[in-house]
Amino acid sequence: AQKITQTQPGMFVQEKEAVTLDCTYDTSDPSYGLFWYKQPSSGEMIFLIYQGSYDQQNATEGRYSLNFQKARKSANLVISASQLGDSAMYFCAMREPLNFNKFYFGSGTKLNVKP
Amino acid sequence: EPEVTQTPSHQVTQMGQEVILRCVPISNHLYFYWYRQILGQKVEFLVSFYNNEISEKSEIFDDQFSVERPDGSNFTLKIRSTKLEDSAMYFCASSAFESFGANVLTFGAGSRLTVL
Repeated sequence: AQKITQTQPGMFVQEKEAVTLDCTYDTSDPSYGLFWYKQPSSGEMIFLIYQGSYDQQNATEGRYSLNFQKARKSANLVISASQLGDSAMYFCAMREPLNFNKFYFGSGTKLNVKP
Repeated sequence: EPEVTQTPSHQVTQMGQEVILRCVPISNHLYFYWYRQILGQKVEFLVSFYNNEISEKSEIFDDQFSVERPDGSNFTLKIRSTKLEDSAMYFCASSAFESFGANVLTFGAGSRLTVL
């Protein structure tokens, strides 16, 4: 079974609007970490936001927030006030304590921000 | 801001040749990783390294791959005899592991390997 599923291969959003990128995960461990990374066309992987499984509050970092729904095993990334520079691939990732060195990545969502 | 640096940014090699990809992790980080991303596909874990030894490796990391930390700063990935299917972007990453939750991977910009 896939550990991380991103069902949206591509998304379009109008500049200045909000967009939600979906991520669901699969684990039987009660303790895990969820991450979002951005990959611009230049190729580097940029860390955006982290959510721990025991965190009571949804994580926020500037324009990024994580809509964490533990019962549904979803960790959607919300980008508010989209900018042209947000156009990139976005990867959801998870780490479990059994293999804390190993991140499982989803297949990614390509976001295009339209002017 | 501290960063992970990788060299070369792009390498083209003939099938069967040996390749060494180099990485300088963030200086106070303790854990080092190599990940691979075949064009258009997801990022895949290859290997993690801690305390001068491999702590975990994936099934992709077979005998043709090796890693070492030859000095206090560099972390290298060697592919002994490259195959066409080794063509990919290779990412080095490091983490401080201050706690399980805060173990964020900081990635380098990647080394693109093209095997002809």
